[in-house]
Amino acid sequence: GAVVSQHPSWVICKSGTSVKIECRSLDFQATTMFWYRQFPKQSLMLMATSNEGSKATYEQGVEKDKFLINHASLTLSTLTVTSAHPEDSSFYICSASFGTGSSPLHFGNGTRLTVT
Amino acid sequence: AQKITQTQPGMFVQEKEAVTLDCTYDTSDPSYGLFWYKQPSSGEMIFLIYQGSYDQQNATEGRYSLNFQKARKSANLVISASQLGDSAMYFCAMREGPHAGNNRKLIWGLGTSLAVNP
Repeated sequence: GAVVSQHPSWVICKSGTSVKIECRSLDFQATTMFWYRQFPKQSLMLMATSNEGSKATYEQGVEKDKFLINHASLTLSTLTVTSAHPEDSSFYICSASFGTGSSPLHFGNGTRLTVT
Repeated sequence: AQKITQTQPGMFVQEKEAVTLDCTYDTSDPSYGLFWYKQPSSGEMIFLIYQGSYDQQNATEGRYSLNFQKARKSANLVISASQLGDSAMYFCAMREGPHAGNNRKLIWGLGTSLAVNP
């Protein structure tokens, strides 16, 4: 079945540094990928929609200069958390789908980011 | 207003019994799709079942079935013969206008935490 690979699965970084998270669709081409953030025991919060070859569409309240999204190819989207601070600590998860509008989203396994 | 409502923050069920997780939705689009996902403590999101607004029959996938009541705008997930491994968060989600393609974002409910007791 379709597989989405997300790397790294966890990362600890110091405040002020930047962290890049990769999301790859392994056996299908994804023109659109979605990036979510999830706080403990809460639902998924959509951060942005990543479109191959064009600028990402950010949800209201999400700082585009802080959460840089690049979707340079049909199989890779990256999320860079710039100048990370402890409040950016969270679970970040990417997803993509292929096929028709009735196709489910396939998710990466998520990245747990801890900023110290 | 919330478009996806899951009214049960937490549910308990005895192993081998059936359990129903509620989901109601709100949309003015006649074409929509409803999804259920399971999220174990490991964090991965596992797709369980899909129901399209024009589907004539309720969706079923193994032990999962969807009780789709269009007039009531509800799409409850029924898990039969619960197993210990079913303990997880369950999310209901909706995609409006699926005919427009798979690049439409999903709208998520807040989730229900299910605990299966031995």
